[in-house]
Amino acid sequence: EAQVTQNPRYLITVTGKKLTVTCSQNMNHEYMSWYRQDPGLGLRQIYYSMNVEVTDKGDVPEGYKVSRKEKRNFPLILESPSPNQTSLYFCASSSIGDPTDTQYFGPGTRLTVL
Amino acid sequence: AQSVAQPEDQVNVAEGNPLTVKCTYSVSGNPYLFWYVQYPNRGLQFLLKYITGDNLVKGSYGFEAEFNKSQTSFHLKKPSALVSDSALYFCAVTEGGNTGKLIFGQGTTLQVKP
Repeated sequence: EAQVTQNPRYLITVTGKKLTVTCSQNMNHEYMSWYRQDPGLGLRQIYYSMNVEVTDKGDVPEGYKVSRKEKRNFPLILESPSPNQTSLYFCASSSIGDPTDTQYFGPGTRLTVL
Repeated sequence: AQSVAQPEDQVNVAEGNPLTVKCTYSVSGNPYLFWYVQYPNRGLQFLLKYITGDNLVKGSYGFEAEFNKSQTSFHLKKPSALVSDSALYFCAVTEGGNTGKLIFGQGTTLQVKP
């Protein structure tokens, strides 16, 4: 089954404790991205990657890092999480990142930073 | 800058009645428009998209959307609502260029009552 998977699905952590949210897709997509969803704001892009070793900032990159060492994986790293990063996070992928491509989303990771 | 507005936070309809979820957009260049649905504790699922051509786009689960260039709107419709259609709906437009970024509206909660 074609899908985007994320782990963990739920995470409660404390301020300053480094964490990684994994994202993997099995569709051989070149393009992957991370969004955060906050009430009343919709989804906002954090980072995106057009291909292996090619990453760039989205609209809200502060406090986050990413890497793209393999085509299928795109982990999101919070080196020193803060309470304002409490949010629902989605990973997405599409074929080549063309504006007409459909993006496919993972199930989401709900993060709480205390 | 591209933007999307969903003017209604919540839409309530009775089962069997037609439903409309409104979306307006502001873009420079060609608009590539998308609708996604988010069921509770699930990721975003793609419903339909408008790229070019026929202004009436048909999508999954009996949904359709009408692209209206003069009114810069892309309203989501369904002739007969089901209780199972109750969910959070997002309209989105892709940013121009090759970033692949989706610009989302704030979301509209659809409540279908039996």
